[in-house]
Amino acid sequence: DAGVTQSPTHLIKTRGQQVTLRCSPKSGHDTVSWYQQALGQGPQFIFQYYEEEERQRGNFPDRFSGHQFPNYSSELNVNALLLGDSALYLCASSLAGTGGTGELFFGEGSRLTVL
Amino acid sequence: SQKIEQNSEALNIQEGKTATLTCNYTNYSPAYLQWYRQDPGRGPVFLLLIRENEKEKRKERLKVTFDTTLKQSLFHITASQPADSATYLCALGHSGTYKYIFGTGTRLKVLA
Repeated sequence: DAGVTQSPTHLIKTRGQQVTLRCSPKSGHDTVSWYQQALGQGPQFIFQYYEEEERQRGNFPDRFSGHQFPNYSSELNVNALLLGDSALYLCASSLAGTGGTGELFFGEGSRLTVL
Repeated sequence: SQKIEQNSEALNIQEGKTATLTCNYTNYSPAYLQWYRQDPGRGPVFLLLIRENEKEKRKERLKVTFDTTLKQSLFHITASQPADSATYLCALGHSGTYKYIFGTGTRLKVLA
């Protein structure tokens, strides 16, 4: 049973560029959440996707956008990169039927470095 | 604003002892609280969930308590082993939201 997979694992960009990160949820899961984790900090909620719609958004600017596909996989896009966007981006999948209280299954993350 | 505090300093304990980690929160009334383990460079892994109407939850060597009056959760690892060395994160949630609020984590090191 494949868990949550994310790609790429590492990437380096320069300020002003755009990046797309990808996530495939755990088999059977229909909900994908994205979190940003800066070094030494806890994960911060970016947004959650369910039924191809953004269901809830955290306190992140519009430069952060996402998408969910019919097969439940998801993308996170960040435009006009800033140095402060350097972080580990985590994708977490869950089941919508758990009513938001279920455990999150995290991928290994995509480490983004902005120079 | 909502705030979660975990022991900011690393916790070093001797193998075989009980490790106790603290999660305190303010300006929030969570319906449930979760604990995750995170190894360096890896994603968090779910350990335990406890709801607001539960005082204590156990799973093997792990025990979690939840005191909504003190706004605090304690996470215990009994008979600790070097393999338990990791960062432990607490996360708060509410039935009215899909987002989890995470603490900064406590780094635990179990010495052989």
